[in-house]
Amino acid sequence: QSALTQPASVSGSPGQSITISCIGTNSDVGAYNYVSWYQQHPGKAPKLLIYDVSNRPSGVSNRFSGSKSGNTASLTISGLQTEDEADYYCTSYTRSSSQIFGAGTELTVL
Amino acid sequence: EVQLVESGGGLVKPGGSLRLSCAASGFTFSGYSMSWVRQAPGKGPEWVSSISSNSEKIYQSDSLKGRFLISRDNAKNSLYLQMNSLRVEDTAVYYCVFGSYYPESSGYYLPPAYDYWGQGTLVTVSS
Repeated sequence: QSALTQPASVSGSPGQSITISCIGTNSDVGAYNYVSWYQQHPGKAPKLLIYDVSNRPSGVSNRFSGSKSGNTASLTISGLQTEDEADYYCTSYTRSSSQIFGAGTELTVL
Repeated sequence: EVQLVESGGGLVKPGGSLRLSCAASGFTFSGYSMSWVRQAPGKGPEWVSSISSNSEKIYQSDSLKGRFLISRDNAKNSLYLQMNSLRVEDTAVYYCVFGSYYPESSGYYLPPAYDYWGQGTLVTVSS
């Protein structure tokens, strides 16, 4: 099963908003509302930002939001801050009772 | 405070075996499915395997079936990953993870998201 498709990189200036897409199929992203997003800084474990498409864990800033339409999920970061510079990964539950991750998107805050 | 502490990583030759362990604390271990996720250098995370609380349900990545086996000991609050016939491409940091939003009492045997991660243990497969 191929990884979910994410842009390799995105960039934005402080204060701006950016959106990262995550394209799957009707066997994963499109099949369930079980898309999640992770943020990973170098040398650290991934941190859960969004679960079940649009839910934020406690302690995660409301600047992070998630959505889904069909086979495409999206992560939006508003009011970009320098500390948002990191790698971002989406993941989805699949019809074959497994999980699949995206290849990741590197966010640069200019 | 939830803690997941992995151990057992190291350098192993291709074809060798290794057993990873994860000591869990700070939550009701027997109430949750547990999972392993790995991340190769410079790559994204990859789900490896998940196991239900009573070990009756095991889910594995198709690409790893037959070589890796997940297990757990609820009496010791511990999770394990037995890795056999290791290949160079198995080189990665292996994380012990669980999702507190998905208790098995709500029917989640394969949690779709993980809010708790260990620090990871590095497995290097090289001759």
